[in-house]
Amino acid sequence: AQSVTQLGSHVSVSEGALVLLRCNYSSSVPPYLFWYVQYPNQGLQLLLKYTSAATLVKGINGFEAEFKKSETSFHLTKPSAHMSDAAEYFCAVSVSGSARQLTFGSGTQLTVLP
Amino acid sequence: KAGVTQTPRYLIKTRGQQVTLSCSPISGHRSVSWYQQTPGQGLQFLFEYFSETQRNKGNFPGRFSGRQFSNSRSEMNVSTLELGDSALYLCASSLATPGETQYFGPGTRLLVL
Repeated sequence: AQSVTQLGSHVSVSEGALVLLRCNYSSSVPPYLFWYVQYPNQGLQLLLKYTSAATLVKGINGFEAEFKKSETSFHLTKPSAHMSDAAEYFCAVSVSGSARQLTFGSGTQLTVLP
Repeated sequence: KAGVTQTPRYLIKTRGQQVTLSCSPISGHRSVSWYQQTPGQGLQFLFEYFSETQRNKGNFPGRFSGRQFSNSRSEMNVSTLELGDSALYLCASSLATPGETQYFGPGTRLLVL
């Protein structure tokens, strides 16, 4: 079985500062990894995904994540936070054979301070 | 392409009633998955349908059921509602290939009184 741990349920950064949201996964087989963002009263929007191609994945809105197998991590970063980045972020994992069953982390609420 | 649509967006029911939620996937997507989102339990997988067949089911009681039609539209049903069923129910569709992105709808917010 796979699992996801997101360290820090709440993260605050100043506008223009680096955003770092942490995600560690557990999987007995090579995983597919995803980051989704959720704005209030909305569904989930895909930011980026890792599917065993490049380990550094670039997504939308300036976000990127690096897959580190040795650390079982897939942390999300953005060099410069914008007020519009304030939202809840979810890391998710799926494994081959059950690619439509996503296992989500508990989420990280990002606050961007002016 | 139109995105995933879910109806209704908001619903209020009382304990003991049943409810049916609907999901229309992105055109061409044959896989539909359902998730429940609550503050306490987070996002949890309910079930997945592909070609009108349930292929995967999460750890939920039998009161939660679903189906998929030949046009890939899906419905989920919750019978004998409990207060704890209050949640945001999200539907996601995909092309059903390994690693394929699941695209989520806006969700149906269910409140059980």
